[in-house]
Amino acid sequence: DTAVSQTPKYLVTQMGNDKSIKCEQNLGHDTMYWYKQDSKKFLKIMFSYNNKELIINETVPNRFSPKSPDKAHLNLHINSLELGDSAVYFCASSLSQGDTEAFFGQGTRLTVV
Amino acid sequence: AQSVTQLGSHVSVSEGALVLLRCNYSSSVPPYLFWYVQYPNQGLQLLLKYTSAATLVKGINGFEAEFKKSETSFHLTKPSAHMSDAAEYFCAVSVGGNDMRFGAGTRLTVKP
Repeated sequence: DTAVSQTPKYLVTQMGNDKSIKCEQNLGHDTMYWYKQDSKKFLKIMFSYNNKELIINETVPNRFSPKSPDKAHLNLHINSLELGDSAVYFCASSLSQGDTEAFFGQGTRLTVV
Repeated sequence: AQSVTQLGSHVSVSEGALVLLRCNYSSSVPPYLFWYVQYPNQGLQLLLKYTSAATLVKGINGFEAEFKKSETSFHLTKPSAHMSDAAEYFCAVSVGGNDMRFGAGTRLTVKP
Protein backbone atom coordinates (compact mmCIF):
# COMPACT_ATOMS: atom_id res chain seq x y z
CA ASP A 1 0.00 0.00 0.00
CA THR A 2 2.97 2.30 -0.70
CA ALA A 3 1.78 5.81 -1.51
CA VAL A 4 4.48 6.83 -3.98
CA SER A 5 6.60 4.05 -5.37
CA GLN A 6 9.46 4.32 -7.78
CA THR A 7 11.53 1.64 -9.46
CA PRO A 8 14.27 0.71 -9.53
CA LYS A 9 15.74 1.72 -6.20
CA TYR A 10 19.30 1.40 -7.50
CA LEU A 11 20.52 1.76 -11.05
CA VAL A 12 24.12 1.39 -12.17
CA THR A 13 24.81 1.90 -15.84
CA GLN A 14 27.49 2.92 -18.27
CA MET A 15 27.91 6.26 -19.92
CA GLY A 16 25.96 6.60 -23.12
CA ASN A 17 23.21 4.20 -22.15
CA ASP A 18 19.50 5.02 -22.05
CA LYS A 19 17.54 4.24 -18.90
CA SER A 20 14.10 4.80 -17.40
CA ILE A 21 12.81 5.28 -13.88
CA LYS A 22 9.17 4.58 -13.16
CA CYS A 23 6.93 6.28 -10.61
CA GLU A 24 3.41 5.51 -9.51
CA GLN A 25 1.21 7.08 -6.85
CA ASN A 26 -2.00 5.66 -5.41
CA LEU A 27 -3.04 8.78 -3.50
CA GLY A 28 -5.35 10.18 -6.13
CA HIS A 29 -3.13 13.24 -6.50
CA ASP A 30 -3.22 15.30 -9.65
CA THR A 31 0.30 16.71 -9.52
CA MET A 32 3.53 14.74 -9.82
CA TYR A 33 7.15 15.85 -9.70
CA TRP A 34 10.66 14.72 -10.40
CA TYR A 35 13.46 16.08 -8.24
CA LYS A 36 17.19 15.49 -8.51
CA GLN A 37 19.25 15.33 -5.31
CA ASP A 38 22.98 15.72 -5.81
CA SER A 39 25.82 14.53 -3.61
CA LYS A 40 25.51 17.67 -1.47
CA LYS A 41 21.85 16.83 -0.78
CA PHE A 42 20.57 19.76 -2.82
CA LEU A 43 17.06 19.04 -4.11
CA LYS A 44 16.37 20.56 -7.50
CA ILE A 45 12.98 20.41 -9.15
CA MET A 46 13.17 19.02 -12.66
CA PHE A 47 9.59 18.60 -13.82
CA SER A 48 6.08 19.06 -12.57
CA TYR A 49 2.98 17.57 -14.18
CA ASN A 50 -0.63 18.33 -13.43
CA ASN A 51 -3.21 15.91 -14.82
CA LYS A 52 -0.69 14.65 -17.37
CA GLU A 53 0.14 18.16 -18.52
CA LEU A 54 3.68 19.51 -18.18
CA ILE A 55 3.65 22.50 -15.86
CA ILE A 56 7.28 23.03 -14.98
CA ASN A 57 10.31 22.14 -17.03
CA GLU A 58 13.35 23.54 -15.33
CA THR A 59 16.66 23.97 -17.13
CA VAL A 60 17.10 20.27 -17.60
CA PRO A 61 18.98 18.85 -20.60
CA ASN A 62 16.63 17.54 -23.23
CA ARG A 63 18.19 14.11 -22.72
CA PHE A 64 15.70 13.92 -19.86
CA SER A 65 12.17 13.23 -21.05
CA PRO A 66 9.29 12.74 -18.63
CA LYS A 67 6.21 10.85 -19.69
CA SER A 68 2.89 10.77 -17.91
CA PRO A 69 0.56 8.13 -19.38
CA ASP A 70 -2.06 8.96 -16.75
CA LYS A 71 -2.18 11.11 -13.67
CA ALA A 72 -1.06 8.26 -11.41
CA HIS A 73 2.20 7.70 -13.29
CA LEU A 74 5.17 9.86 -14.16
CA ASN A 75 8.15 8.11 -15.70
CA LEU A 76 11.55 9.59 -16.40
CA HIS A 77 13.56 8.53 -19.40
CA ILE A 78 17.18 9.55 -19.72
CA ASN A 79 19.11 9.28 -22.98
CA SER A 80 22.86 9.18 -23.45
CA LEU A 81 23.66 9.08 -19.75
CA GLU A 82 26.60 11.16 -18.53
CA LEU A 83 28.72 10.92 -15.39
CA GLY A 84 27.09 14.12 -14.08
CA ASP A 85 23.70 12.47 -14.12
CA SER A 86 24.71 10.39 -11.11
CA ALA A 87 22.39 11.41 -8.29
CA VAL A 88 19.33 10.32 -6.38
CA TYR A 89 16.12 11.00 -8.25
CA PHE A 90 12.93 11.46 -6.26
CA CYS A 91 9.40 11.24 -7.50
CA ALA A 92 6.72 13.07 -5.53
CA SER A 93 3.03 13.80 -5.76
CA SER A 94 0.58 16.27 -4.29
CA LEU A 95 -2.79 17.83 -4.82
CA SER A 96 -2.63 20.92 -7.02
CA GLN A 97 -3.21 23.24 -4.11
CA GLY A 98 -0.44 25.31 -2.65
CA ASP A 99 -1.21 24.36 0.92
CA THR A 100 -0.87 20.62 0.46
CA GLU A 101 2.37 18.82 1.02
CA ALA A 102 4.20 16.63 -1.44
CA PHE A 103 4.58 12.93 -0.74
CA PHE A 104 7.88 11.44 -1.78
CA GLY A 105 9.01 8.10 -3.07
CA GLN A 106 12.07 6.39 -1.61
CA GLY A 107 14.32 7.60 -4.39
CA THR A 108 16.33 5.99 -7.18
CA ARG A 109 20.08 6.11 -6.78
CA LEU A 110 21.52 6.39 -10.28
CA THR A 111 25.23 5.76 -10.73
CA VAL A 112 26.76 6.31 -14.13
CA VAL A 113 30.16 4.70 -14.63
CA ALA B 1 9.71 32.49 -8.52
CA GLN B 2 9.47 31.68 -4.85
CA SER B 3 12.55 30.43 -2.98
CA VAL B 4 13.84 29.54 0.45
CA THR B 5 17.25 29.97 2.02
CA GLN B 6 18.43 27.80 4.86
CA LEU B 7 21.12 29.39 6.98
CA GLY B 8 23.71 26.89 8.06
CA SER B 9 24.37 23.72 6.12
CA HIS B 10 25.33 21.93 9.30
CA VAL B 11 24.07 22.37 12.87
CA SER B 12 25.43 20.41 15.80
CA VAL B 13 23.76 20.27 19.21
CA SER B 14 24.09 18.19 22.34
CA GLU B 15 21.40 15.76 23.31
CA GLY B 16 18.78 17.62 25.34
CA ALA B 17 19.72 21.03 23.93
CA LEU B 18 17.52 23.35 21.91
CA VAL B 19 17.39 22.76 18.18
CA LEU B 20 17.05 25.82 15.92
CA LEU B 21 17.16 25.45 12.15
CA ARG B 22 16.76 28.64 10.17
CA CYS B 23 14.75 29.22 7.02
CA ASN B 24 13.96 32.46 5.20
CA TYR B 25 11.64 32.65 2.24
CA SER B 26 11.13 34.89 -0.74
CA SER B 27 7.74 35.09 -2.41
CA SER B 28 5.69 37.75 -4.17
CA VAL B 29 2.45 36.23 -2.89
CA PRO B 30 1.56 34.68 0.48
CA PRO B 31 3.49 31.42 0.61
CA TYR B 32 2.79 28.00 1.98
CA LEU B 33 5.81 26.73 3.88
CA PHE B 34 6.93 23.27 4.84
CA TRP B 35 9.64 21.49 6.77
CA TYR B 36 10.70 18.02 5.73
CA VAL B 37 13.13 15.55 7.29
CA GLN B 38 15.27 13.05 5.44
CA TYR B 39 16.90 10.14 7.21
CA PRO B 40 19.85 8.41 5.51
CA ASN B 41 18.95 6.58 2.33
CA GLN B 42 15.29 7.46 2.63
CA GLY B 43 12.82 9.79 1.03
CA LEU B 44 11.50 13.01 2.53
CA GLN B 45 8.93 12.99 5.30
CA LEU B 46 6.77 15.97 6.23
CA LEU B 47 7.42 17.44 9.68
CA LEU B 48 4.96 20.33 9.55
CA LYS B 49 3.42 22.93 7.28
CA TYR B 50 2.22 26.51 7.42
CA THR B 51 -0.97 27.25 5.54
CA SER B 52 -1.96 30.63 7.05
CA ALA B 53 -4.31 29.15 9.67
CA ALA B 54 -1.91 29.82 12.56
CA THR B 55 1.54 31.35 12.67
CA LEU B 56 2.86 28.82 15.20
CA VAL B 57 2.73 25.36 13.74
CA LYS B 58 3.28 22.14 15.65
CA GLY B 59 4.54 19.08 13.87
CA ILE B 60 5.61 15.55 14.53
CA ASN B 61 8.40 14.45 16.87
CA GLY B 62 8.10 17.57 19.02
CA PHE B 63 9.10 20.04 16.32
CA GLU B 64 7.41 23.37 15.75
CA ALA B 65 7.93 26.38 13.53
CA GLU B 66 6.79 29.97 13.62
CA PHE B 67 5.85 31.98 10.55
CA LYS B 68 7.06 35.58 10.85
CA LYS B 69 5.99 37.68 7.91
CA SER B 70 7.95 40.74 9.03
CA GLU B 71 11.14 38.69 9.02
CA THR B 72 10.16 36.43 6.08
CA SER B 73 11.20 33.54 8.28
CA PHE B 74 9.95 30.08 9.17
CA HIS B 75 12.50 28.72 11.62
CA LEU B 76 12.21 25.18 12.97
CA THR B 77 12.70 24.50 16.67
CA LYS B 78 12.61 21.67 19.15
CA PRO B 79 13.14 22.29 22.87
CA SER B 80 15.20 19.18 23.55
CA ALA B 81 17.18 17.29 20.93
CA HIS B 82 17.17 13.52 20.81
CA MET B 83 19.73 11.31 19.16
CA SER B 84 17.06 10.11 16.75
CA ASP B 85 16.66 13.68 15.43
CA ALA B 86 19.96 13.45 13.57
CA ALA B 87 19.02 13.83 9.90
CA GLU B 88 18.88 16.26 6.99
CA TYR B 89 16.18 18.93 7.25
CA PHE B 90 14.68 20.80 4.33
CA CYS B 91 12.57 23.91 4.25
CA ALA B 92 10.25 24.23 1.24
CA VAL B 93 7.90 26.82 -0.23
CA SER B 94 4.91 26.50 -2.53
CA VAL B 95 2.60 29.14 -3.98
CA GLY B 96 0.84 27.72 -6.98
CA GLY B 97 0.31 24.12 -6.01
CA ASN B 98 2.41 22.69 -8.82
CA ASP B 99 5.76 24.16 -7.87
CA MET B 100 7.40 23.23 -4.56
CA ARG B 101 10.92 24.58 -4.09
CA PHE B 102 13.40 23.39 -1.50
CA GLY B 103 16.23 24.97 0.42
CA ALA B 104 19.72 23.52 0.33
CA GLY B 105 19.12 21.53 3.50
CA THR B 106 20.62 21.57 6.99
CA ARG B 107 22.30 18.53 8.43
CA LEU B 108 21.55 18.17 12.14
CA THR B 109 24.05 16.27 14.26
CA VAL B 110 23.18 15.37 17.86
CA LYS B 111 26.06 14.70 20.21
CA PRO B 112 25.59 12.43 23.24
